[in-house]
Amino acid sequence: QSALTQPASVSGSPGQSITISCTGTSSDVGGYNYVSWYQQHPGKAPKLMIYDVSNRPSGVSSRFSGSKSGNTASLTISGLQAEDEADYYCTSYTSSSPFVFGTGTKVTVL
Amino acid sequence: EVQLVESGGGLVQPGGSLRLSCAASGFTFSTYWMHWVRQGPGKGLVWVSRINSDGSSTRYVDSVKGRFTISRDNAKNTLYLQMNSLRAEDTAVYYCVREVGLRFDYWGQGTLVTVSS
Repeated sequence: QSALTQPASVSGSPGQSITISCTGTSSDVGGYNYVSWYQQHPGKAPKLMIYDVSNRPSGVSSRFSGSKSGNTASLTISGLQAEDEADYYCTSYTSSSPFVFGTGTKVTVL
Repeated sequence: EVQLVESGGGLVQPGGSLRLSCAASGFTFSTYWMHWVRQGPGKGLVWVSRINSDGSSTRYVDSVKGRFTISRDNAKNTLYLQMNSLRAEDTAVYYCVREVGLRFDYWGQGTLVTVSS
């Protein structure tokens, strides 16, 4: 099972919006609405930010939103803040291995 | 409060073995499916293994099949990962993770496994 494809890095200025893509296949992202997104600050454990493509757990800022079109899922961070600087990973349920993670995206706040 | 606390990591020689433990508290451990996820130094997250709530079903990523065994003791609220025939490429931080509805809602702080001579 190959990792889902994410851009290595995305950057934006405070207050701007950025979008991170997560591309898979019809056997994972495209075949199921079980895409979730995780935020990881350096030296910390990942934190669930979005699940089931577009749902936010309680306590996660509404500035984070998710969507999906075909085999590509996306995470959008609006009103970018300094605290959003972190690594972000998508994951999807798959028809073979239960789960596959994305390659990860480093978000930099300029 | 949900807590997952991993232990058992350390330095081991190639070909050696190690058993990781994850002590769970703050929730009814026996009703949740649990996973191990690892992260090599400077690398991304990789799903490693999953066990269902009663321990009767397990799955593994291809790279660890036949070498790693996931298990659980619901009476002790503890998840395990027995790792044999360790290789340099198994060097990583190993996270214990709770699954709910096909998402990972709680993660432990991780335990570092280093495979080196």
